[in-house]
Amino acid sequence: DQQVKQNSPSLSVQEGRISILNCDYTNSMFDYFLWYKKYPAEGPTFLISISSIKDKNEDGRFTVFLNKSAKHLSLHIVPSQPGDSAVYFCAASVGDDKIIFGKGTRLHILP
Amino acid sequence: GAVVSQHPSRVICKSGTSVKIECRSLDFQATTMFWYRQFPKKSLMLMATSNEGSKATYEQGVEKDKFLINHASLTLSTLTVTSAHPEDSSFYICSARDDIVGSYEQYFGPGTRLTVT
Repeated sequence: DQQVKQNSPSLSVQEGRISILNCDYTNSMFDYFLWYKKYPAEGPTFLISISSIKDKNEDGRFTVFLNKSAKHLSLHIVPSQPGDSAVYFCAASVGDDKIIFGKGTRLHILP
Repeated sequence: GAVVSQHPSRVICKSGTSVKIECRSLDFQATTMFWYRQFPKKSLMLMATSNEGSKATYEQGVEKDKFLINHASLTLSTLTVTSAHPEDSSFYICSARDDIVGSYEQYFGPGTRLTVT
């Protein structure tokens, strides 16, 4: 049973435009959500997070939106840059319990 | 910032041998470390939670006798793949949670590519 789902395995976006990565979850007990970025042959790096008491968190070009009623969150990157090309993992946790990851979405930024 | 290292970064071993992978938190203490395995085109799969001074907690379906975890100090956890087989070939990643900061975030190591021939 996959509790965190990223239904788009890949996404291509023109440089300078907005990239929107989506994530759905099934466990209503999740209270903390995170996005990680991963380059090939490297460990994931933390990007941005959001607590379930908020619906938006912004950090520079990255904004995460949380819709609890829909059990949906999204990561917006604007403007998209070539260095943003990577695999993005959505993740969720209950308290400080283990983090559950989605399968990832490969983002390609086109020149 | 918090740094987690893994050693080795790449290892090739013969089928039937054992391989040890080290995970170190370089500038913080970590009572809890996590071991993940990444399959091609799949998510990071949590294998086990490593607790300093106590037994690791394994996820369902992970063989504890095959993947031995030792968390001997607050900065070091090791994963030993025993009697490795080609199907164990994968990318193994560890992460650590900073005890002092106590946040939900985990700091990941760079990963270890294991190839079993």
